[in-house]
This record gives sequence, structure tokens and C-alpha cells, in this order.
Amino acid sequence: DVKVTQSSRYLVKRTGEKVFLECVQDMDHENMFWYRQDPGLGLRLIYFSYDVKMKEKGDIPEGYSVSREKKERFSLILESASTNQTSMYLCASSPNYDRGTNGYTFGSGTRLTVV
Amino acid sequence: AQSVTQPDIHITVSEGASLELRCNYSYGATPYLFWYVQSPGQGLQLLLKYFSGDTLVQGIKGFEAEFKRSQSSFNLRKPSVHWSDAAEYFCAVGSGTYKYIFGTGTRLKVLA
Repeated sequence: DVKVTQSSRYLVKRTGEKVFLECVQDMDHENMFWYRQDPGLGLRLIYFSYDVKMKEKGDIPEGYSVSREKKERFSLILESASTNQTSMYLCASSPNYDRGTNGYTFGSGTRLTVV
Repeated sequence: AQSVTQPDIHITVSEGASLELRCNYSYGATPYLFWYVQSPGQGLQLLLKYFSGDTLVQGIKGFEAEFKRSQSSFNLRKPSVHWSDAAEYFCAVGSGTYKYIFGTGTRLKVLA
């Protein structure tokens, strides 16, 4: 019954590595989002996509990029990982048809540690 | 600009006691309002939502919330808390678009 799947629950990467976080949804949703979650800061939007090959910056896009080549898959890329990117990363999706009334469906999250 | 405030970072209640988690928002029109719950190490699960109609909404796990336009609030309530309710709770506000703003969360601890 899993609908938004994040490929890894836990990741440990070294400073300077290129990191890929993958998210796949099976609900045919148009909109997909990447958030990072830090204690005391809540959820902060990194990037979102409202269509294939479309992307928009969120509130904290620096140091990140995204890719959406297929409707069901939205990848977050850390070009050169740094220790301040150690965080919980949450992927979410939502459909267009409800005009935002039904909220998001979230994945289980990826806890990334950069050492 | 839209914003959401959850004034309580931590709340501790005894099992069986009632619960109210506060959420205040800033938005010019009628917002879409949501409460999510996050169990340790998990993603967020939608508890309930409001976008129109009856201002008292019922959700899953026995939770309810009331939209009060005059107070710009959407507080979450439960009459009797269970130990399994220990989690972090997030309030979120949206509009007619697909982008929401989340509060910083309230962590609930339940004493046996």
C-alpha cells in the first residue's frame, strides 16, 4: 500500500560527494516536492515540480538541484555534499485535480548524514 | 505572506487526559488548513483538513480541529490521549495552489 517511496531510509556520505535521493510515487500525481526537516525549523521547501521536466525553487534551494524526467520520479541531487546538509529529507506528492484541498502524501523520509 | 505558528514546541500530557495543540496562521483569504502527525523516524501522515464548510472537522485516530476565523486559529484536540499518540504534530496552511507552509511542529509526550 506504499504510495510515495523514498529509495533509502538512511544514508551516510562523505563531504564533497555527489548524492542522489530518489522518490517515486504511484498515484499519477502532477506535483512533487522535496523538503528538509530540522529540529526547531520544521519543514522547509527545497524544490518542487508541477510537471515532467518542470521545476521551481523553494525556500532553500542553494546546494541542491532536482530532476524530473518521468512523472512518477523526482530526484534530489546534492552536487557536493556538505556537513550542513545533514538532515531528514522528505518527499511528497499531490494531484492537480483537487486544487490543493487534500494535502500531500509523504514518503517515509531519508535521513542523510554527511561526514 | 502566509505563515504558520505553533507556539508550543513540547507538550506533555498524561494518558487519558485531554489534549489541545495550538496553530495560528496568517493568510489574507480563507486558507486550506491541515494537521499532520509524524511518528519517530517516519514521514508525515495527514490527520485532518479544512477548506470550507463546517468549521469543526473530524480526523483519523479520534482527533478533531476547529477553524476559528476571528482568531486565525486551527487548534487540534483529542478528548483522551493514548500512549500511541506520542509523536510530532505539524500544522500547515495552503491556498488554491499546491504549495503549503508548515509550522515548526509540536512534540507530544504522553506519560503512562
